[in-house]
Order: sequence, then structure tokens, then C-alpha cells
Amino acid sequence: EADIYQTPRYLVIGTGKKITLECSQTMGHDKMYWYQQDPGMELHLIHYSYGVNSTEKGDLSSESTVSRIRTEHFPLTLESARPSHTSQYLCASTRGGVGELFFGEGSRLTVL
Amino acid sequence: ELKVEQNPLFLSMQEGKNYTIYCNYSTTSDRLYWYRQDPGKSLESLFVLLSNGAVKQEGRLMASLDTKARLSTLHITAAVHDLSATYFCAVDRRGGAAGNKLTFGGGTRVLVKP
Repeated sequence: EADIYQTPRYLVIGTGKKITLECSQTMGHDKMYWYQQDPGMELHLIHYSYGVNSTEKGDLSSESTVSRIRTEHFPLTLESARPSHTSQYLCASTRGGVGELFFGEGSRLTVL
Repeated sequence: ELKVEQNPLFLSMQEGKNYTIYCNYSTTSDRLYWYRQDPGKSLESLFVLLSNGAVKQEGRLMASLDTKARLSTLHITAAVHDLSATYFCAVDRRGGAAGNKLTFGGGTRVLVKP
């Protein structure tokens, strides 16, 4: 069973607030990812990291930023949240090789 | 740019009958994944298909991969209510030195009715 944790699970905030979504994994995986998913829709890659101090933007342009200071931790930050940021954000990790991604439970963000 | 298309997008099933979900992708790849997502939940890995002709089976679900046709199928045998969920296929682009970047299809929402 995968050990990847996201907090908060649900967040409702007002426009203009700064938020950080936390993602941690205890599997020692080098590769971590953030996907954005609107309800019932496909997943879009917004950020990924192949190791400490390595971050790249994904396919879907996002105003969020990420950091990877420790292997197990890959937080996502929005400096000024807007209603268009309302979505579910899924964190995932893999050790590479076969490349099977393990997903966290997701953070559902609502910006009013 | 890799595109992954699933069909149908919605599948209403009768219990006990067989159905197939199709996943087409646009560029060469030999790594394809199937995931299941229950409403409000995260994604659960179902199958990892790593070569042409690969076939994996788990319970009532069977997945196969034809890399030449760029097609994967997820076959459901004798559907039961517990299989109601959204099913996603994903293809690994494996670009660059590191790879392991998955592109997901739009999902197939499955509803199994008695």
C-alpha cells in the first residue's frame, strides 16, 4: 500500500489568500508530481520533480509554485488564490523504472 | 504532443453482462496504466502494461495492450455493482533522461445497474 499523504483534504478560502498544499511520502521515491483534476474530468500534470532541488512545470500552465527541499516533501503554493483555482489537486510519486504512480487522497480547494 | 482518448466516456452496465473500454493514444509508447477512481476519492492503480501483447487480469477485469495499434482495452466480465467507478488509462511519455510522465485519458464513468 502506498504511503503518500496530502493535507488539507478540503480547503475553502477567500480570493487573494495564500495557500500551501502539503504532500509527503514515506516510500523514498525520487519522483513526485502534482496533477490538477476538475470533478469527473481528466488529470492534468502541473508540476513534477525528479529529486531534491529539481522542479519542472507540467503540461497545464499553473500559477502555483512548488519546491523540493527534502525527498519526502513536495508542497504546492498559490500566492494569491482566485476562483479559477478551484479544483482538486492530486499529489503522486514513483520510484521510477516501471513508473507506476501512487496517488495521495487529494486536496479539494474552493476559492470564493 | 501525446493525446490519450478513451471511449466511451460513460458506460451504463447491466449486472452480469460484459463490456469493454477502449484507450487510444497518439504516439509511440510501451507503458500503459489503468486506474480506478471512486467518487470523491483518489486514484487506485489497477494494471501496469509494459509491452506489446501484455495482458493482465484481476477478478472481473482484464486489460491488454497493442502497441502497434496504440490501443489498450479494459474488459469487464459479468459486471457487478462494486465495479461502478471512473476508469482512467494513462500513457507514459518517458521523455528525456528521466521520463515517467503520465498523460491521462478523459476517463470512462461506469455505472452498473441491477
